[in-house]
Amino acid sequence: DGGITQSPKYLFRKEGQNVTLSCEQNLNHDAMYWYRQDPGQGLRLIYYSQIVNDFQKGDIAEGYSVSREKKESFPLTVTSAQKNPTAFYLCASSRTAAYNEQFFGPGTRLTVL
Amino acid sequence: AQTVTQSQPEMSVQEAETVTLSCTYDTSESDYYLFWYKQPPSRQMILVIRQEAYKQQNATENRFSVNFQKAAKSFSLKISDSQLGDAAMYFCAYRATSGTYKYIFGTGTRLKVLA
Repeated sequence: DGGITQSPKYLFRKEGQNVTLSCEQNLNHDAMYWYRQDPGQGLRLIYYSQIVNDFQKGDIAEGYSVSREKKESFPLTVTSAQKNPTAFYLCASSRTAAYNEQFFGPGTRLTVL
Repeated sequence: AQTVTQSQPEMSVQEAETVTLSCTYDTSESDYYLFWYKQPPSRQMILVIRQEAYKQQNATENRFSVNFQKAAKSFSLKISDSQLGDAAMYFCAYRATSGTYKYIFGTGTRLKVLA
């Protein structure tokens, strides 16, 4: 089946450790996105990539990094520089950046202890 | 900068009744898209309905319809014949048709459906 997978569903890390969240899609979509969701704040854009080997910062990129070496993969690294990393992280993709629909993965809940 | 505001943190509706969720937005663009997304307890985001600003006709998808008032910058979602499965967080979102194509999301409305 075509879709977006994020793994793992729940992730626990100690404070000060970097952690990488996986996002894979087999929809042949050019554009991919990472959002952070906190209670009462909706979804906020962290990074997005309109095409392979290219990505741009979103509204809250500080403390995060990404790569887009393959069309189907867009991993997000939460670094120790991110002050409040505990959150729910959602990955999304779109046929192209201009296409008017995003498809979302099931999300990863990151808890930093 | 564009903003999206959902002023109702929580709403309740009786099963089989109709409920309207409010959304207002601010933009200087003349063409854009507006969306309503549903996030059930599984937290999987699902597109409910989409409206293109240049279309005057309100979008409809089965029991879901919108009231799009472009001049007032209002985009409300009406759910008719509410079902228990409609219980979820609902997010309003805006996206320009040019530029960075970034989505701007509201803070969400939690809908409870009472049996």
